[in-house]
Amino acid sequence: DARVTQTPRHKVTEMGQEVTMRCQPILGHNTVFWYRQTMMQGLELLAYFRNRAPLDDSGMPKDRFSAEMPDATLATLKIQPSEPRDSAVYFCASGLGREQYFGPGTRLTVT
Amino acid sequence: SQKIEQNSEALNIQEGKTATLTCNYTNYSPAYLQWYRQDPGRGPVFLLLIRENEKEKRKERLKVTFDTTLKQSLFHITASQPADSATYLCALDMANAGKSTFGDGTTLTVKP
Repeated sequence: DARVTQTPRHKVTEMGQEVTMRCQPILGHNTVFWYRQTMMQGLELLAYFRNRAPLDDSGMPKDRFSAEMPDATLATLKIQPSEPRDSAVYFCASGLGREQYFGPGTRLTVT
Repeated sequence: SQKIEQNSEALNIQEGKTATLTCNYTNYSPAYLQWYRQDPGRGPVFLLLIRENEKEKRKERLKVTFDTTLKQSLFHITASQPADSATYLCALDMANAGKSTFGDGTTLTVKP
């Protein structure tokens, strides 16, 4: 049963610290998405890749966020420095067509 | 401005009834519309996709309609069960974009 995996599942950190979230997409999927979900803003697209190339990161605060795909089995989302307003659940999703398969998310709390 | 609106209030229905959720959009011309289910503490799960040239799509107890004139999609769950209780999200895809824009979701509670 192929699934998207994300690590860590939970992260509590202090303001100013670097946070790295990792995602392993489903093998064979060529598109990877990073989303952030909060009660206030809902599900927001931060960035997405096709065949490991970044296609759109317009939803991401450029000064502190960065997303990469070092290889086809790993996508990373980094926040440096983190701020309390970054507290949210971060989802990774992968896909081959239009439908997306989401991971379980990383719940980030920045104090 | 662009907007996606789902039922503004949570939806509560009795087991066995049909649940109908709405997704209205403004200033979009989606080529595809998707529906996802999200349970608390989990990621969204894909349910159905409908294309702009399709009026209706069915999968088991689920039915989706897509009216590009009204700029609306309806999502129906027939013979609803308490296990159908979840938040349901609609997502719009433009033809030349490989990404989706999600609505805020509607929380459905099916009471036994």
